[in-house]
Amino acid sequence: EAGVTQSPTHLIKTRGQQVTLRCSPISGHTSVYWYQQALGLGLQFLLWYDEGEERNRGNFPPRFSGRQFPNYSSELNVNALELEDSALYLCASSWYGVPTEAFFGQGTRLTVV
Amino acid sequence: AQKITQTQPGMFVQEKEAVTLDCTYDTSDQSYGLFWYKQPSSGEMIFLIYQGSYDEQNATEGRYSLNFQKARKSANLVISASQLGDSAMYFCAMREGAGNTGKLIFGQGTTLQVKP
Repeated sequence: EAGVTQSPTHLIKTRGQQVTLRCSPISGHTSVYWYQQALGLGLQFLLWYDEGEERNRGNFPPRFSGRQFPNYSSELNVNALELEDSALYLCASSWYGVPTEAFFGQGTRLTVV
Repeated sequence: AQKITQTQPGMFVQEKEAVTLDCTYDTSDQSYGLFWYKQPSSGEMIFLIYQGSYDEQNATEGRYSLNFQKARKSANLVISASQLGDSAMYFCAMREGAGNTGKLIFGQGTTLQVKP
């Protein structure tokens, strides 16, 4: 069974640009979570999607947004990139709202220059 | 506000020995869950073990056990018989509140290096 897959694995963007990160959950999982892991720091909760709806949001500015598609895959969009957005972005999936059993992907490493 | 504290930035252990990674937490909720994740250099977060706040026995999963001391608000991870493949970053995390927020709060992590 395929795990959580994220694309791309690495990305370099210029300050002010926009970026879209993608996540495919484990088959059967309806919840998708996004986390940001800046260098040397722990994970910070970004967003939780389930059944196509945003269910919860972390303490991030509105330029961080996303969506979930009918097949439960998800996109994370970041507008007006800033240097401090450089981080590893991790996606996880689980059955509805059960982060206890969340399985993570390998992440997308975003570098903003 | 809920908070997870991991006070050991880095730890060394000899192969085949046991090691304890510390985690303390702060919450006013009665119902909560505590987790440990392993993050190898590849970046993926690997779920290791879970302890619910009402679980009376310490959780165990193979070589991993969670030393849960509720009164002291600590949830230390014990890895027995360390292996070279255990070298990684380890994160303690907490499910926020009794309700369903979908959010986990993570500590800053501990880097474990296993020496041959």
